[in-house]
Amino acid sequence: ETGVTQTPRHLVMGMTNKKSLKCEQHLGHNAMYWYKQSAKKPLELMFVYSLEERVENNSVPSRFSPECPNSSHLFLHLHTLQPEDSALYLCASSLNSGANVLTFGAGSRLTVL
Amino acid sequence: DAKTTQPPSMDCAEGRAANLPCNHSTISGNEYVYWYRQIHSQGPQYIIHGLKNNETNEMASLIITEDRKSSTLILPHATLRDTAVYYCIVRVGDDYKLSFGAGTTVTVRA
Repeated sequence: ETGVTQTPRHLVMGMTNKKSLKCEQHLGHNAMYWYKQSAKKPLELMFVYSLEERVENNSVPSRFSPECPNSSHLFLHLHTLQPEDSALYLCASSLNSGANVLTFGAGSRLTVL
Repeated sequence: DAKTTQPPSMDCAEGRAANLPCNHSTISGNEYVYWYRQIHSQGPQYIIHGLKNNETNEMASLIITEDRKSSTLILPHATLRDTAVYYCIVRVGDDYKLSFGAGTTVTVRA
């Protein structure tokens, strides 16, 4: 257990479904991140939040919608996804957006049918 | 950020030291060297980082050459649980963008 908890760990959804991924940390960190890891590809940074404000949106399609209601929680809302969106979605946090060290969760494995 | 070059894979024997090289010949003066690892199907885990001096913690040692163009991560006594992909990353200290490359797949064999 790293201190960053992601749920669900596995998710299967159809292309017309709406689902959400949840990330929670109680490390006292002020920055939170979403990364995507597709098979055989490096991790890709998707979104960065610092003190609940989005500071990075890395050209991510609008079918992915992040939400950061407070510094401890981060959501990724999913709708009308494509099969190529199947991947491991990783949440991370750091003390602040300029901090050196990221703490990652175990990830949510998403399969889009 | 400066790019890094790592061997795609390496094997090491359980109980022996594992020396993981990383080249970062275009590193600038304010860029740190970070190492993370990712065990299969888990999130990456921070290992160690440094700027100029060699660093050691409970997980590993980081040796940075004097010209800072390369570094070596040393796992002093590799165990089977150290089998993972190891990422060498260089970035400016206050930049939140951590860019992961392909890393080195390390397999520790009994």
